[in-house]
This record gives sequence, structure tokens and C-alpha cells, in this order.
Amino acid sequence: AQTVTQSQPEMSVQEAETVTLSCTYDTSESNYYLFWYKQPPSRQMILVIRQEAYKQQNATENRFSVNFQKAAKSFSLKISDSQLGDTAMYFCAFMKHRGNQFYFGTGTSLTVIP
Amino acid sequence: GAGVSQSPSNKVTEKGKDVELRCDPISGHTALYWYRQSLGQGLEFLIYFQGNSAPDKSGLPSDRFSAERTGGSVSTLTIQRTQQEDSAVYLCASSLEGLYGYTFGSGTRLTVV
Repeated sequence: AQTVTQSQPEMSVQEAETVTLSCTYDTSESNYYLFWYKQPPSRQMILVIRQEAYKQQNATENRFSVNFQKAAKSFSLKISDSQLGDTAMYFCAFMKHRGNQFYFGTGTSLTVIP
Repeated sequence: GAGVSQSPSNKVTEKGKDVELRCDPISGHTALYWYRQSLGQGLEFLIYFQGNSAPDKSGLPSDRFSAERTGGSVSTLTIQRTQQEDSAVYLCASSLEGLYGYTFGSGTRLTVV
């Protein structure tokens, strides 16, 4: 079975500062994908960033980057230059290679303070 | 349509009643998924449809839950004899193939009173 753990229920950050959200996971799979999704009050899940486990290079998308530590089964999200629009719930998720479902963590509520 | 559409946006129902939740996926997307998001929890997989294949129902929590997908497009999630613990946001997603282009709808918030 796959499990995803987010140990920070709530976090806050000053506008323009940097914040890191933590995620750990457990799996016996050797090939898989990891994701961070953002859920604003509109409830729609929006993909922030995706990482293939077989790639050693950490994924980046503009102000968003990850620190993927495969041996430690850790997948943290760093948000640089935080903006008010980044305020949302953030979910870490796992999917097996050729899988058909996500396994989600319980989320981190991020508030960006002006 | 341009996105995944779910209706109703919000639904309040009395305990014991049946409810139907609807999902209109992105046109041409062959895969459709239902997830449940309970308060303070992550998303929990319910069911997966892929083309004409038999659906993966492994996530349905009880036999009160069922889903169908007609004509490979619109899907309906039905909850019979609703219970208070069924209160949650039900999210639908569709994709063209696998994990790429995986798009979520805005969900239906179900409240059982």
C-alpha cells in the first residue's frame, strides 16, 4: 500500500518570502510519480508541479521547486517570492507507474500574509 | 466543454435519502475518476472509468455507493440511503490518457442532515 504524509496542517509566510512544505511517502514501488496540487477556495485541484521518480533532477516550475530525496522518500515543495494568490491548501500526491489513482496526503493550509 | 463540470455545486439532503451527483468530463477524455474529500482529509479514490473497460470500483466505501458512465462521457455517482458520514466534497477528474492532462472539476459539496 502507498501512504503519503504531510505533517504540517497549517503554515504561513510573509509575502515575497520563501516557504517549504514537507511531504513524505511510503511505497515499495521503484517507479512512480509525485505531485503537488493546489486547492484554492474554488475547490478545483490545480497541478503545481510533477516529478518522475526515475529522474534525479529536481523539478522546477517558475517560483515552485521540489527537493526530491528518493532514498529518504521525501518530496518537499519550495515556494519562492510568495504571493497572496498562493494562499490555498496544498496536497502532496503519489501515483504508481501505470497506475490509475492518486494517493493524497491530508494537505497543508498555506496563508500568505501581506 | 473547456473544463470538467460538476453539478450540483452544493447539495443538502436528509439522512436516508438517495442522491445523484453528475460529472461532465472534458470532451474526448477517455478516463474519468471520482474522489471524495472529507473535512480535514486528503482526497480518497472512489472509482475509475477507462473507455469501454470494466470500471475499477475498488475505492467505493460501501454498496450504497455506485457510479455509471453513459456513452463514455457523462458520469453519475449515486449514494443510496445517505448517512451523515457521507458528507464531503465529491470531486471528479478526467484525463485523455494516464496522468497527463488530468483535470479536476470544482466538486459537489454534499451535506447530509
